Order: sequence, then structure tokens, then C-alpha cells
Amino acid sequence: AQTVTQSQPEMSVQEAETVTLSCTYDTSENNYYLFWYKQPPSRQMILVIRQEAYKQQNATENRFSVNFQKAAKSFSLKISDSQLGDTAMYFCAFMKGGGDSNYQLIWGAGTKLIIKP
Amino acid sequence: KAGVTQTPRYLIKTRGQQVTLSCSPISGHRSVSWYQQTPGQGLQFLFEYFSETQRNKGNFPGRFSGRQFSNSRSEMNVSTLELGDSALYLCASSLDLGQVNTQYFGPGTRLTVL
Repeated sequence: AQTVTQSQPEMSVQEAETVTLSCTYDTSENNYYLFWYKQPPSRQMILVIRQEAYKQQNATENRFSVNFQKAAKSFSLKISDSQLGDTAMYFCAFMKGGGDSNYQLIWGAGTKLIIKP
Repeated sequence: KAGVTQTPRYLIKTRGQQVTLSCSPISGHRSVSWYQQTPGQGLQFLFEYFSETQRNKGNFPGRFSGRQFSNSRSEMNVSTLELGDSALYLCASSLDLGQVNTQYFGPGTRLTVL
């Protein structure tokens, strides 16, 4: 069974600083996807970034980038030039790939990120 | 393109009642998944539907059920409500094009069981 671990329950940084959120996972699969979602106080779950395990290049989306270390089973999220609107719960999630139609997300416990003005 | 919509946004029920939640996926998306979010258990997968068929089911009792209609809209039903069913219920839709299965979420339905 797959598991996802986020070891930082809460983090806070000053606006404009860079922050890195940690995520590790455990799987015996070789084909899978990893995601970061954010959930602001509105509770709407919003996709931040996605990484395919078969891609060696780290995914980036504007100020958001990941450090994907497949051998170490690590998937950290870096937020550059943090903004007040980045304040949210951040969830790391795993999805098995392949053709067996098991398209469920396995979630970490989340990291509460607070951006201070 | 409109996002995933869920209705109602808030519900208050009493123990023993049943409840039905609705989810309309993004236009063109054929897969709908449901998740339960609670402070104690975090996010847990309930079930996933594709082409009106349940493809996967999480580890929840039979009181939790769902269905999907021909237009991909989905409903989930919880019968004989218990206090522990109080949660945010999230619906997500995806295109389901083989490897491309990014899930996009609705705003959730907040269920409170008294």
C-alpha cells in the first residue's frame, strides 16, 4: 500500500521569502504521479503542480517548483517570492499510474503554511 | 469552462437520517471521485465513477453509496447518518485519458450531523 508523509504540520514565513514544503512517499510502483494541492480558508482544493514519475525534469509552475528525488521517494515543493495569497493548507498526494483503473489520490496529512506581511 | 460544482454547499442533518450530495463535473470530464475530509482522518477516498460504473471504492461502510448518470453528474448518498459522518465531502473530476488523470475539485459540501 502507498503512503504519503508530510512531516511539517505548520510553517510560517515572511512575505517575499522562499519556503520549501517536504513530502515523502512509499510505494513499490514504478509508474505514478505526484501532486501538490493547496486548500485556502475557502476550502476549495486547488491543484498547484503535478509531476510524472517517469520524467526526470522537475515540474515548475510560475513561482512553484518541485524537487523530485525518485530514488529517495521525496517530493518537495518550493514557493518563491511568497505572497499573502499563498496562505493555505498544502497537501501532497500520490496516484498510481498504469491501466488498472485505480485512479485514487493518496493524501498526506497536510502542511499549514502562513505567509506573514 | 465552468469548474466542478457541488450542491448543496452546507447541510445539517440529525443522526439516523440520510443525505444525498450532488456533483457536476467539468464539461467533458467523465470520471468523478469523492473524498471525505475530517480533522481526525484527513482526506480519504470514498469511490470513483466512470461511465456510470463504480470503478474503485475506498474503505467505507456500505452506508456510503454513489452513482453516476449518463451526463457524468454524480451523487453520493449516506444512509443512517452517524455523528462521525460530519465532514467536508469533496468531489473531483478528471478527463480520464489514460495517463492523464489530474483531478480538479469542487468547493465541497460541508455536512454536519447533530
